[in-house]
Amino acid sequence: DTAVSQTPKYLVTQMGNDKSIKCEQNLGHDTMYWYKQDSKKFLKIMFSYNNKELIINETVPNRFSPKSPDKAHLNLHINSLELGDSAVYFCASRDYGTNYGYTFGSGTRLTVV
Amino acid sequence: DAKTTQPNSMESNEEEPVHLPCNHSTISGTDYIHWYRQLPSQGPEYVIHGLTSNVNNRMASLAIAEDRKSSTLILHRATLRDAAVYYCILIEYGNKLVFGAGTILRVKS
Repeated sequence: DTAVSQTPKYLVTQMGNDKSIKCEQNLGHDTMYWYKQDSKKFLKIMFSYNNKELIINETVPNRFSPKSPDKAHLNLHINSLELGDSAVYFCASRDYGTNYGYTFGSGTRLTVV
Repeated sequence: DAKTTQPNSMESNEEEPVHLPCNHSTISGTDYIHWYRQLPSQGPEYVIHGLTSNVNNRMASLAIAEDRKSSTLILHRATLRDAAVYYCILIEYGNKLVFGAGTILRVKS
C-alpha cells in the first residue's frame, strides 16, 4: 500500500516538449507539495496545495503549472522543457496545521536531452 | 525559518550507536526540531521531531539541549541500511519544510 505514489518513475524527453508528472496520496492528508532535487542534491520546495488551493509558489517559472483536481492528487505539468529542468521531482503530503511529518513519494527522475 | 548547522559527513561502524549533532542557536520558542533522512535513490523519510523534551520512537531518539540551541539524533545501533543523508530542520508550527545540506552518514561493516 503505497502512501504517496508518483508516476512515472523515470521520464526522458527532448527540449521543448511538454510533460506531466502525477502524484496521488492515500493518507487522507489535506496538503500536498512538489519538491525539486537538482544535481547538487539540494531539495527545494516548489509548490504546495491545501484542499485544492495553491498556498505556496516558490518563484518557479510559469512553465511549471501544478494542478490539484482533489485533495488526494497533485499533478505537475511542465511546458517547453529545458535542460535545466533535469532533476528528481518529489511529491509529498501532510496534514496542514499539524506538526506531523511529511510523507514523500519515491521521486520522478526527469532527464531533458 | 531559523538556520541549522550540521557536519558535512560522519562515519560509523555497524552495530554501534551514532550521534548526529545539529546546532540551531537562533531557534525561536515556537520552532519544532525535525529530523528527516534520505536513503540513496529514495525520497526523504520522516525520522523524529520534538520541541523541548527528549523523544524516542522506533527509529531513533532525539536529545534536545536544555537551552534548545542544539540537538542530537541518536541511532542506537547503526546498520548498513541507515547510511543516508540526515537533515535537521526547524519548522514553526504548520510551516513548510525547508531542507539544508544535511549530514552524509556512512556506515562501515
